[in-house]
Amino acid sequence: DTEVTQTPKHLVMGMTNKKSLKCEQHMGHRAMYWYKQKAKKPPELMFVYSYEKLSINESVPSRFSPECPNSSLLNLHLHALQPEDSALYLCASSQVGREAATYTQYFGPGTRLTVL
Amino acid sequence: KNQVEQSPQSLIILEGKNCTLQCNYTVSPFSNLRWYKQDTGRGPVSLTIMTFSENTKSNGRYTATLDADTKQSSLHITASQLSDSASYICVASRGSTLGRLYFGRGTQLTVWP
Repeated sequence: DTEVTQTPKHLVMGMTNKKSLKCEQHMGHRAMYWYKQKAKKPPELMFVYSYEKLSINESVPSRFSPECPNSSLLNLHLHALQPEDSALYLCASSQVGREAATYTQYFGPGTRLTVL
Repeated sequence: KNQVEQSPQSLIILEGKNCTLQCNYTVSPFSNLRWYKQDTGRGPVSLTIMTFSENTKSNGRYTATLDADTKQSSLHITASQLSDSASYICVASRGSTLGRLYFGRGTQLTVWP
């Protein structure tokens, strides 16, 4: 099973709402990632978790709050977002280790977020 | 500066024809190079991954080449199909335990019947 699942597929929210994006993988990967992708642009790394601990935060605004409750799940909590935060949010996972740079990152289908 | 540049930005070909996409990178220290296919509104799907010691790797009708000396890579698609219409993204990785990736902007390929 090389699948990363994300829910919901689409999300529309107001600037005062609180919502969460969910990501799940059962490949035994211990690194999980959140990316943001605007139309016709490459994915931009937001957060990286390694062994359920936050390893990289690419200076993401605090209105985005990641959480890794266990090795299979990754959440992204959203609060007080802005219209410019509308994008495709991608989750990915990979192995971790000395050869980690050679490991494939498996991406989920993404959540299309629209902030009104 | 760690960068990945791709050309052309977009490409239109007829079904059944071959095409080659180009990628130049300046990521250092270089670890490996990947090609991903991304359909509109979907997550990227890995096609190939090559370390600096590999020159070529195939995956069905997709063949990637890598020249670590000139820091160039190409993706050749043979006998294109309508389902090949997608964005093809070149991604370079630096040596690190967390596999930080540097993405190109992609080549948007359209295959016409």
